[in-house]
Amino acid sequence: SAVISQKPSRDICQRGTSLTIQCQVDSQVTMMFWYRQQPGQSLTLIATANQGSEATYESGFVIDKFPISRPNLTFSTLTVSNMSPEDSSIYLCSVGEGPGAEAFFGQGTRLTVV
Amino acid sequence: SQELEQSPQSLIVQEGKNLTINCTSSKTLYGLYWYKQKYGEGLIFLMMLQKGGEEKSHEKITAKLDEKKQQSSLHITASQPSHAGIYLCGAHRNTGNQFYFGTGTSLTVIP
Repeated sequence: SAVISQKPSRDICQRGTSLTIQCQVDSQVTMMFWYRQQPGQSLTLIATANQGSEATYESGFVIDKFPISRPNLTFSTLTVSNMSPEDSSIYLCSVGEGPGAEAFFGQGTRLTVV
Repeated sequence: SQELEQSPQSLIVQEGKNLTINCTSSKTLYGLYWYKQKYGEGLIFLMMLQKGGEEKSHEKITAKLDEKKQQSSLHITASQPSHAGIYLCGAHRNTGNQFYFGTGTSLTVIP
């Protein structure tokens, strides 16, 4: 299993600013992912964080809005840029080794944009 | 695109009642995962089903995956307030390692 530490756990931010969320894993993992959970909804995959290369974004998400770093196999960051109230969500990082393996999730970052 | 549809979207039951949540995919799945999320908290892994026809149980929760591996059901027997939360099915994309979730089912158990 993998233990994931996500920081911050919550934040209240002014519109127009940016917030960087950190995800630290206690072991090296191949796959790291970032999700968004808007109020009352399920989790939506934002992107796959690739070590040593640019992240792979899902439809509807772009690098300018959600830049991602993955400097090594245990750490990743997600930045929510130029925030608006619509960005108020829970953001979660996840790790997994693909089909047949359990996916593990951080506790999430609850973001409120005012 | 690959999607997981859950039904019902929300469920309110009296304590002690049985209930079933369904998760349906338009494509054959490599495996199907069930998670529970307490309101405002992280995800709790419940169980993973990989084989067609497989059934697993944990305490009062039973999950099944159909033979075609396109539909799963989660059954809770004698529900309790502690079962309340959001239940999410999940699966890996057939074309890659990305993991995606169903639409979610919100369960409320009235004491």
